[in-house]
Amino acid sequence: EAQVTQNPRYLITVTGKKLTVTCSQNMNHEYMSWYRQDPGLGLRQIYYSMNVEVTDKGDVPEGYKVSRKEKRNFPLILESPSPNQTSLYFCASADFGLQQETQYFGPGTRLLVL
Amino acid sequence: SQQGEEDPQALSIQEGENATMNCSYKTSINNLQWYRQNSGRGLVHLILIRSNEREKHSGRLRVTLDTSKKSSSLLITASRAADTASYFCALIFTGANSKLTFGKGITLSVRP
Repeated sequence: EAQVTQNPRYLITVTGKKLTVTCSQNMNHEYMSWYRQDPGLGLRQIYYSMNVEVTDKGDVPEGYKVSRKEKRNFPLILESPSPNQTSLYFCASADFGLQQETQYFGPGTRLLVL
Repeated sequence: SQQGEEDPQALSIQEGENATMNCSYKTSINNLQWYRQNSGRGLVHLILIRSNEREKHSGRLRVTLDTSKKSSSLLITASRAADTASYFCALIFTGANSKLTFGKGITLSVRP
């Protein structure tokens, strides 16, 4: 089944404790992206990747890191989480090469930083 | 910043009625997409319309695009309780390197 998976789905952590949210897709998509969703603000892009070893900042990259060493994986790293990073996070992938441009979303990771 | 603006913010209708949601934007686009999100879950793509298209259909969904007015409408006909969700307009602006920019969403409630 074509899908985007994220782990963990729920995470409670404390300020400053490094964490990684994994994202994996099995559709051989070149494009992957991370978003955060906050009430009243909609979805905002954190980072995106057009292909392996190619990443770029989105609208709200501060406090986040990403890497794209393999096509299928695009982990989101919070080196020193802070309470303002409490949010619902979504990973997405797309195949722009075929002009499909439809993004496929993972189920989300709900993060609480205390 | 560039973003689609959806209208209304919330909509409540009776099952069987049609639901119309609108999205407006300010600069030129390559395409416009609509997504649905059930409470707390991932977004699901509904339909994509390109800047050179005026109308598209998919099942009970009908999307129109008026590039002269910089606006789009999503019509859900014969709504069902299962259509209750948030709906997002998402745009790829011209020259934006395929970046998808989402609006803040419309909350649709369909009463049984």
